[in-house]
Amino acid sequence: KQEVTQIPAALSVPEGENLVLNCSFTDSAIYNLQWFRQDPGKGLTSLLLIQSSQREQTSGRLNASLDKSSGRSTLYIAASQPGDSATYLCAVRNFNKFYFGSGTKLNVKP
Amino acid sequence: DGGITQSPKYLFRKEGQNVTLSCEQNLNHDAMYWYRQDPGQGLRLIYYSQIVNDFQKGDIAEGYSVSREKKESFPLTVTSAQKNPTAFYLCASSIPGRGGSRNIQYFGAGTRLSVL
Repeated sequence: KQEVTQIPAALSVPEGENLVLNCSFTDSAIYNLQWFRQDPGKGLTSLLLIQSSQREQTSGRLNASLDKSSGRSTLYIAASQPGDSATYLCAVRNFNKFYFGSGTKLNVKP
Repeated sequence: DGGITQSPKYLFRKEGQNVTLSCEQNLNHDAMYWYRQDPGQGLRLIYYSQIVNDFQKGDIAEGYSVSREKKESFPLTVTSAQKNPTAFYLCASSIPGRGGSRNIQYFGAGTRLSVL
């Protein structure tokens, strides 16, 4: 069964810092990997989707990489802002099911 | 605007009662999903459906039931057999199969269920 792990569980940084969130998965036979943002008490908002054949995707200050063979993905956030404070979750898709990590709770201090 | 609507936002269940959570989408997606989220944890799959009139159990289906009579709708019933129903419930939809760059999973705003 696919297991998805996110490290660290929580992260607190000063505004302006660049940071990296990590996601690892045990079964490399994935269709894609998706990074989400979740604000407290809200649903999930998709940030980036990386297909299994891709190495990275970029959107604004966000860059996600995928190393399928080693079962790892990273989400890089440049020049962090207080508005980036949220929980970030990664999910991998195997066939018709998605498997989620438990998330990294990010706090960006002004 | 296309999206997923979950209702109600908050729901309270009395002991022994069945309650139903609504999920409606207008994204024309064939696949729909129900997840449960407990504090500090990731999402766990309850049920999913790839097509109308067909659905499969996820990892934690016991105490829950679903139906898929219409493409747009995928209601979840939390039965009295679910002894620990307090959680945040999220509904999602996507295009089934690989889908390429369109294969993004979209989520509703969630329903928070509590036990009285």
